[in-house]
Amino acid sequence: GDSVTQMEGPVTLSEEAFLTINCTYTATGYPSLFWYVQYPGEGLQLLLKATKADDKGSNKGFEATYRKETTSFHLEKGSVQVSDSAVYFCALSDSNAGNMLTFGGGTRLMVKP
Amino acid sequence: DTGVSQDPRHKITKRGQNVTFRCDPISEHNRLYWYRQTLGQGPEFLTYFQNEAQLEKSRLLSDRFSAERPKGSFSTLEIQRTEQGDSAMYLCASSLSQQGVSEAFFGQGTRLTVV
Repeated sequence: GDSVTQMEGPVTLSEEAFLTINCTYTATGYPSLFWYVQYPGEGLQLLLKATKADDKGSNKGFEATYRKETTSFHLEKGSVQVSDSAVYFCALSDSNAGNMLTFGGGTRLMVKP
Repeated sequence: DTGVSQDPRHKITKRGQNVTFRCDPISEHNRLYWYRQTLGQGPEFLTYFQNEAQLEKSRLLSDRFSAERPKGSFSTLEIQRTEQGDSAMYLCASSLSQQGVSEAFFGQGTRLTVV
């Protein structure tokens, strides 16, 4: 079945550092790929998405590119802020399966001032 | 509409008791999903509805779990004879099915603790 693997955390960075969170996937079809973010005490929110190979999703300074050849969707940000501290989840959905989401295990990011 | 709402936010129950959670999706959304999230893990799919029809159930959903969505509006998830392993955050999400990819909006979840 489909699966998502992302780097384990926590990832601790200083403010303005460069962020990469790795995500790779296994899927039988042609999934769409997502990054969700969960801030402390809040629900999951969609951060960005990409629906086909070579698409780049971007939002709030974060970006990720759908790489079919490496089955990856790594999340990057050039300069993190303290307010980016949260748990980040990579996920995929298959339109042939009702668009249900398959999530990775999550990566906690802590940004220090 | 203020988004997906779940009730209660927290539930503590004794092992063996039954519990029921409610989810109110965004009003125009026809798809509703239930997920379970344990500490330090990503959410795992349990089941989903399109309108009032339950279209898929995960193998994670044992016979003690049942979900309904009468009239295609709110949904309930019931767990009978709760076990300590049922302790988790139960998340509800809704989306509007359409051509292409539709965004799923999540509620804040119901945290269940079985003691």
